[in-house]
Amino acid sequence: QQQVKQSPQSLIVQKGGISIINCAYENTAFDYFPWYQQFPGKGPALLIAIRPDVSEKKEGRFTISFNKSAKQFSLHIMDSQPGDSATYFCAASGGGGSNYKLTFGKGTLLTVNP
Amino acid sequence: DAGVTQSPTHLIKTRGQQVTLRCSPKSGHDTVSWYQQALGQGPQFIFQYYEEEERQRGNFPDRFSGHQFPNYSSELNVNALLLGDSALYLCASSLGRRGAFFGQGTRLTVV
Repeated sequence: QQQVKQSPQSLIVQKGGISIINCAYENTAFDYFPWYQQFPGKGPALLIAIRPDVSEKKEGRFTISFNKSAKQFSLHIMDSQPGDSATYFCAASGGGGSNYKLTFGKGTLLTVNP
Repeated sequence: DAGVTQSPTHLIKTRGQQVTLRCSPKSGHDTVSWYQQALGQGPQFIFQYYEEEERQRGNFPDRFSGHQFPNYSSELNVNALLLGDSALYLCASSLGRRGAFFGQGTRLTVV
């Protein structure tokens, strides 16, 4: 059972454009939604995270939009740069008690052309 | 401040052997989680350690075991290695419910 569904699988954007990656979740007990960036041969790096009590969070060129009723959240990368080319993962955790494990989507390979 | 450090970075083992991977958490973090990442997939949760005890476990067989030491560092042990165990093994540390920070991973190849 895939609890976090991520799309698209791959994305090609021109430099300066907006990259949008979407995720949907099934478990309504999730209460923490981070995004990770991973370069080849490296571990995932935490980019930005949101909790369901807010609908949007912005940090620099990265914005998370969150729709609790639709059980969806998305990552927007403004003014995309070639250095942003990487694999992006959405994740979710929560469920009460000590349920801190992260459930990841399958990833989106972003390519930003110069 | 050194982040999460893992050793070794690469490892080649023969089917049936046993392997131990090591992780030192980010300074100030008390919780260590281990994930398996197959090629082209998202990380899959193996288990999490807090106060030297396994707090939560994912859907992995008993061949996968771990340990956390008083200094919060951790080990992942895999017995009776299978070809399918070949993957990037990631360690993540955190403090409570705050964001998890990952190490660079250990690339395990089983031949």
